[in-house]
Amino acid sequence: KAGVTQTPRYLIKTRGQQVTLSCSPISGHRSVSWYQQTPGQGLQFLFEYFSETQRNKGNFPGRFSGRQFSNSRSEMNVSTLELGDSALYLCASSLDPGPTDTQYFGPGTRLTVL
Amino acid sequence: AQSVTQLGSHVSVSEGALVLLRCNYSSSVPPYLFWYVQYPNQGLQLLLKYTTGATLVKGINGFEAEFKKSETSFHLTKPSAHMSDAAEYFCAVSDNNAGNMLTFGGGTRLMVKP
Repeated sequence: KAGVTQTPRYLIKTRGQQVTLSCSPISGHRSVSWYQQTPGQGLQFLFEYFSETQRNKGNFPGRFSGRQFSNSRSEMNVSTLELGDSALYLCASSLDPGPTDTQYFGPGTRLTVL
Repeated sequence: AQSVTQLGSHVSVSEGALVLLRCNYSSSVPPYLFWYVQYPNQGLQLLLKYTTGATLVKGINGFEAEFKKSETSFHLTKPSAHMSDAAEYFCAVSDNNAGNMLTFGGGTRLMVKP
């Protein structure tokens, strides 16, 4: 069974631009979560989606948004990029929402903002 | 609010020596606890998790952790380190109110000397 895939793997943007990252969960998984990983702030929760609905959102500005499609694939968007948005963005999927279901992480998209 | 503290951002052990990575958590409700490992340029892989039941949890690659409620700890151990264990390790906490949201510690980089 294929794992969580994230595209693109690497991305370079300039300040002020916007970016869209994509996540395809493991087949059959309906829950998708996103995390930002930076050297300074570590791993921080962005949002969680289940059945096309955002169930939970972390403490990030409104420039960060996401959505989930009917096939459970998810995208996240960052508008008006800032230098501090440079990070590894990780997507995780699980069968259902809830802490007892194991979350499987993708390899991440490394975003560099110049 | 939940929080996780990992004592020691870097730990160095000799091959064959005991590995001990420390994790203390704070949670106002019964926690679910996790250890993840991250290899360079990869996502996170679940090593083990505690949800309910037995407080000594065995995971993959010979790792285990013990949930100690009185000490609010969930330390990760492995009796004998292998060179392939060199990676970054993250402790995380969640609960029934948090959905899929994981709160991570700052991580511990494990180095294994030959």
